[in-house]
This record gives sequence, structure tokens and C-alpha cells, in this order.
Amino acid sequence: DIQMTQSPSAMSASVGDRVTITCRASQGIRNYLAWFQQKPGKGPKRLIYGASGLQSGVPSRFSGSGSGTDFTLTISSLQPEDFATYYCLQHDSYPYTFGQGTKLEI
Amino acid sequence: EVQLLESGGGLVQPGGSLRLSCAASGFTFSNYAMSWVRQAPGKGLEWVSAIRGGPGNTYYADSVRGRFTISRDNSKNTLFLQMDSLRVEDTAIYYCAKDQLAFCSGVSCTQVFDIWGQGTLVTVSS
Repeated sequence: DIQMTQSPSAMSASVGDRVTITCRASQGIRNYLAWFQQKPGKGPKRLIYGASGLQSGVPSRFSGSGSGTDFTLTISSLQPEDFATYYCLQHDSYPYTFGQGTKLEI
Repeated sequence: EVQLLESGGGLVQPGGSLRLSCAASGFTFSNYAMSWVRQAPGKGLEWVSAIRGGPGNTYYADSVRGRFTISRDNSKNTLFLQMDSLRVEDTAIYYCAKDQLAFCSGVSCTQVFDIWGQGTLVTVSS
């Protein structure tokens, strides 16, 4: 099974900061990686597909990069509504696996 | 509108059974794999099971294999998760999600988990 190691598990940042979250796969997953945002009491929302594709309606301050085993989610300038928990997901092969999550706090 | 609507959650005793349903609308259900994902209280997301469109192959996480059964009724656009021998650690919100297009190619293979249901809470407790 493919393991996804996401870091950091939590971080503090301020409005306007540039933030980077990483996910590393235990083996190559091509570009079959998605990023999700989840706010308290809500379901996950997809931000990025195919490692770098921006979901329609998601602000352009979110971007994704990487291929193979190393992936990055970047928020270029944090806004108040971005404080949430973020997850990566590998869907190269079953069983799919999520990263452990990154809680982004003020 | 593309939509998924789960139902069937509730309180069940350890060792009991529960059947979750997920009604799909707004897309050609039979063409897509579908997945179940769960989230225990205060924990992260855990992929649970999937069933492909087309041939209908099934897949399970180790934590539920042999206890949970995923199935689908394409005539009713509905996904199911039969949960048997439930344990306290199965307590979670269960989400269904639209997975991969059958016989996809290129970018279409990356269009997974764009649609989620609202979730249904399963509580396993005595």
C-alpha cells in the first residue's frame, strides 16, 4: 500500500503569509494527487486535482505542484477564510490514502 | 445539479450492523467509481472502500475488509455500504464521494472526489 506523509501536522501563520504544505508518497504516484480543504463541521472541498490543476471556483492564491513522490500545496497570501485543515489524497492505486492533515491556525 | 445524499447512519451496539445508502443525481452514475470515506471524531480522513463503474470491482481498507461490503444499484443511482460486526472504532462520519470515470484517459483520470455527500454519522456504542 502507498503511504502518504504530510507535513507539517499543524502550523501557525498570519494573514498575508505565504504557506507551503508538503506530501510525500512512499512510491511514485504520477500526478494522481488531490488537495482538500476542510473547515470545522463541514465536508472536504477539493482545491487541486492532478497535482496542479486548480478546481473551478477556487481562488488563484492556491496552487499545487509536484509529480512522482513529492508534492506541494502553496497558498500565496493567506486570507482569513483559509484557516482550516488541509489533506492530500493519492488516487494512483487502491487502497487510496490520505495524508494525516495539516491544521492551519492563526 | 450534481449531488450525493447519504442516509442510514445512527446508533448501533458493538457487533451490530448498519447499511448506509448514497443517492446520486446529476451525472451518469454507472460510469463512475464511487468511494466511501470516513472521519472519526477529531481525526483525519480515512478512505474506506470503493467500487468501480463498469466491471464493478471492489476495494477495501484493511481496517474494514471482511466486515464491510460495498455495492451499487445502477438502476437506482444508489451506492451502499453494508457494515457488519461493527466496532467502537468504526464511529465516524461516513461520506460518499464520486471517484474515477471508468475507462478514463489523461486528465479525466484526475477528476476524482470533486463531489462529496454531506455525510452521515455512525455511532457504535453500548
